[in-house]
Amino acid sequence: SYVLTQPPSVSVAPGQTAWISCGGNNIGSKRVHWYQQKPGQAPVLVVYDVSGRPSGIPERFSGSNSRNTATLTISRVEAGDEADYYCQVWDSNGDHPTWVFGGGTELTVL
Amino acid sequence: QVQLVESGGGVVQPGTSLRLSCAASGFTFSTYAIHWVRRAPGKGLEWVAVISYDGSNKYYADSVKGRFTISRDNSKNTLYLQMNNLRPEDTAVYYCARVAVAATWIDWFDPWGQGTLVSVSS
Repeated sequence: SYVLTQPPSVSVAPGQTAWISCGGNNIGSKRVHWYQQKPGQAPVLVVYDVSGRPSGIPERFSGSNSRNTATLTISRVEAGDEADYYCQVWDSNGDHPTWVFGGGTELTVL
Repeated sequence: QVQLVESGGGVVQPGTSLRLSCAASGFTFSTYAIHWVRRAPGKGLEWVAVISYDGSNKYYADSVKGRFTISRDNSKNTLYLQMNNLRPEDTAVYYCARVAVAATWIDWFDPWGQGTLVSVSS
């Protein structure tokens, strides 16, 4: 089965840039999506199809993808960005399609 | 606006059953695939199951295959998850999530419901 690997935690000072990685075998060929989940709340889509941004999501959120690593970039980090972030792909290479999430990265704003 | 509301969670003993519901509104329910996703305490998101817009295709995570059944009633705009032979490791908040694009299921999840808590304990 396909595996996505994320760092458990990332810390950043307010106003700085946070990079959250998502590693997977040849992930560069896949459509990667990113979700933000704050405590007690439902997940919210922040980036779709590698670099698309849903309406209402600040331009500070962006994504990229290459070979074996996808990256969510959060510029000018604010205290309100503190949350868990998950990457997700659709995998069709097994005996049936599966939808895979990374293990999640806890973003701490110092 | 587009809304998904889960219900049916609760505290149950191992080996018993529970049925979750997800009531949809604000969009044409019968044209969208819907997923169940869960998050166990202290763990990350885990995909559970998906059903196509017309109910003709269903897929499950290996961890629930043979125990859980996803279904939908398009006349009632409602999605279900029948969970049998529950185990302590099934304890989690269960979310329903719509596929963002109609008539497909490979796209991203948007929006999500608020979730319903299932606790399996003796």
